[in-house]
Amino acid sequence: KAGVTQTPRYLIKTRGQQVTLSCSPISGHRSVSWYQQTPGQGLQFLFEYFSETQRNKGNFPGRFSGRQFSNSRSEMNVSTLELGDSALYLCASSLETGSYTDTQYFGPGTRLTVL
Amino acid sequence: DAKTTQPNSMESNEEEPVHLPCNHSTISGTDYIHWYRQLPSQGPEYVIHGLTSNVNNRMASLAIAEDRKSSTLILHRATLRDAAVYYCIANAGGTSYGKLTFGQGTILTVHP
Repeated sequence: KAGVTQTPRYLIKTRGQQVTLSCSPISGHRSVSWYQQTPGQGLQFLFEYFSETQRNKGNFPGRFSGRQFSNSRSEMNVSTLELGDSALYLCASSLETGSYTDTQYFGPGTRLTVL
Repeated sequence: DAKTTQPNSMESNEEEPVHLPCNHSTISGTDYIHWYRQLPSQGPEYVIHGLTSNVNNRMASLAIAEDRKSSTLILHRATLRDAAVYYCIANAGGTSYGKLTFGQGTILTVHP
């Protein structure tokens, strides 16, 4: 079974631009979560989608948004990019059985550099 | 999610056991303890989880203190491939809706 895939793997943008990152979860997984990883702040939760609905959101400004499609694929968008948005963006999927022990499976991430 | 505290770094020799500690003194009765690790240039990967009893799988063992305020991840025979950042997470599972609260983790160095 294929793992979580993220595209693109690397991206360079300039301040003020916007960017869209894509995530394809493992087949059959219905929940998709997004994380931002930086050297200073570590791994931080952005948001989670299930059945095309955002169920949980981290403490990030409104410039960060996402969506999920009917096939569970997800995209996240960052508008008006700032230098501080340079980070590794990770996507994770899980079965979402409602169990306390759902395991998250992470993709390799998209490395975003903002110049 | 409960706050977790881990040592910043640890070192081990290849083929020796490694005990990675984690403190989670504010853990609630329904919080599961999860361990993930992140190999260089990869996303985190699941290692093991438990609630109250000690757990074993093909990757590692998890020893949970009786009061659940601490736990230890045990790698029985470290290999070079085990060099990674190890994260201990205590979260409420199904009510957290996809949110894992990562701390700074422990950087494990394995010497040949």
